[in-house]
Formats: sequence, structure tokens, C-alpha cells
Amino acid sequence: DSGVTQTPKHLITATGQRVTLRCSPRSGDLSVYWYQQSLDQGLQFLIQYYNGEERAKGNILERFSAQQFPDLHSELNLSSLELGDSALYFCASSGGRGTPYNEQFFGPGTRLTVL
Amino acid sequence: GENVEQHPSTLSVQEGDSAVIKCTYSDSASNYFPWYKQELGKGPQLIIDIRSNVGEKKDQRIAVTLNKTAKHFSLHITETQPEDSAVYFCAPSTGTASKLTFGTGTRLQVTL
Repeated sequence: DSGVTQTPKHLITATGQRVTLRCSPRSGDLSVYWYQQSLDQGLQFLIQYYNGEERAKGNILERFSAQQFPDLHSELNLSSLELGDSALYFCASSGGRGTPYNEQFFGPGTRLTVL
Repeated sequence: GENVEQHPSTLSVQEGDSAVIKCTYSDSASNYFPWYKQELGKGPQLIIDIRSNVGEKKDQRIAVTLNKTAKHFSLHITETQPEDSAVYFCAPSTGTASKLTFGTGTRLQVTL
């Protein structure tokens, strides 16, 4: 168990809909990262938050947005969903006290299926 | 951006044999080199990492070697066991608290 929790585990929805994925980082970790894993694109970085502020962006679509709240949990919002958004979405956290370099710990993921 | 290649894409070994997976990266600023193991239905799990000021690191049956000049690092698993069967990813990065750029993965199958 990495200490990172994600909900829900599975999500099935229709095209055009909007969903919210939730992540709670390990206790003490300040950074939260979102990654998308799909068969054709592999594991790709979407966005990073550090202590409530956006820190870095990857190939995140404009239809996707995220935020990190004062209690450090994070939400990834996906809107106007398309079939191609079906993927595994992982949250990772790092930056706790004593964590050297860039060790990132991953949650179990949310499997999104868009029908 | 960082270009990361991983070879081989699949690897089948017999139990007890060794396995080696190589990762080549392009960004010379990379200074952190982790390997992740992903089992079916789970998130990636960090199994070993190395920093740019170290050439080799070992943890029981797992080792990672780094060649910064050639921009590649490798995962070595000795005395493989069936529970080592999984997909392995390299994910070099630069700086602290920065994104990981994942390789394409290597599916390791350990047969009895």
C-alpha cells in the first residue's frame, strides 16, 4: 500500500458527460501528480500541483482541469468526455519531509470507461 | 521534451535466470532514474532508483546501473521468481518534485 488513495476505482459514463476523480496524497506529501495510462499513449504526465498551486503541465487537454485543496487532496475534472478519454488515471504524490529527490508514490488508479 | 526508450518490450525468462532491461533517455539534465513495477490492475510501484552521482545501486535481487555519458540506465533482476512477472517502466526526471517521463514498458514473464 503506497498510502495514496484514489476514488472511485471504476467509472463508466457516456460521451459528453463530466466526471471528477479524487486523490488523497500520502500524509505529509505536498506534491500531487496526475498521469493517464492508455494502450496507445502509455503512461503520460498530465499536471502537477504543489501545496495548492499548479506547478507543471504536460499534455493535458483543455477539457481537463485539476485543483489541489488546502487539505492537499486533489481532484481531476474531465468534461465533454470522448471515447478516446477511456483510460486509467493515476495520481501520485511526493515531497514529504525526508523524501529525497523525486520519489513518487502512485495510487491504485481510476479506470474510466466512456461509452 | 525528454525522449525515453526502453528495451526489450517483452522478455521471457525461466525461473532462476537473470533479466536485464535497458532504458535510454535524451535529456542530459536528467538526474533521477527510477524503475517502477506495475502488476495487473495496480498502480506503478517504485522498486529501485538511482541518482546521477551514483553509478550502481543494489537492493537484494534488484540492481540499477547508470551510464550518464551514454544516457542509459538498466534494471537487473537476478534469481527471477514467478512473482517478478509484471510490466516494468523506467521514468527518468530532472530536479526534485518534477514530472516523470515514462518509458514504453517491458513485460517480463518468468516461467517455471
